[in-house]
Amino acid sequence: KQEVTQIPAALSVPEGENLVLNCSFTDSAIYNLQWFRQDPGKGLTSLLLIQSSQREQTSGRLNASLDKSSGRSTLYIAASQPGDSATYLCAVPYNNAGNMLTFGGGTRLMVKP
Amino acid sequence: DAGVTQSPTHLIKTRGQQVTLRCSPKSGHDTVSWYQQALGQGPQFIFQYYEEEERQRGNFPDRFSGHQFPNYSSELNVNALLLGDSALYLCASSQFGTGSEAFFGQGTRLTVV
Repeated sequence: KQEVTQIPAALSVPEGENLVLNCSFTDSAIYNLQWFRQDPGKGLTSLLLIQSSQREQTSGRLNASLDKSSGRSTLYIAASQPGDSATYLCAVPYNNAGNMLTFGGGTRLMVKP
Repeated sequence: DAGVTQSPTHLIKTRGQQVTLRCSPKSGHDTVSWYQQALGQGPQFIFQYYEEEERQRGNFPDRFSGHQFPNYSSELNVNALLLGDSALYLCASSQFGTGSEAFFGQGTRLTVV
């Protein structure tokens, strides 16, 4: 059974810092990994989708890497801003079939002005 | 493109009652998945619908059922509501098959009293 863990559970940083969020998964036979952002009480916004054949994806100040062999992914946020404050979730396919997702518990990020 | 839309936004029900939540997928998507997210946790997969059939199911009791209509929209029904069913219910749409990106709606907040 696939399990996903995110560390740290919560993070508070001053504005402008570069930061790294971690995601680990137990079954390395995944075909993609997706990072999401969730604002309080809201739905999920897709940030980045990394296919198993890729090692990283970039979107603006966000960069996500994937190391299947070690069962790890990182989300790098450059020059953090107060507007980046949210919960960040990573997800991998539920049972490596179809596109149902297994999520980590999320990292709650607070960027202080 | 309106994206994934869910209704209602908020709902309060009494224990033992039944509830129906609705989801319209993103244009061009044919697959709908439902998730339950308890406060402070990552979303948990309930089930997925494609071609009007339930294709995959997570670890949820039969009180949770669903339906998909010919226009790809979907309903989630929960019978005999328990206090523990209080959560944010999220709908995700995608194109059927592995590797496709999932897009989420804003969620329905269900409170059972």
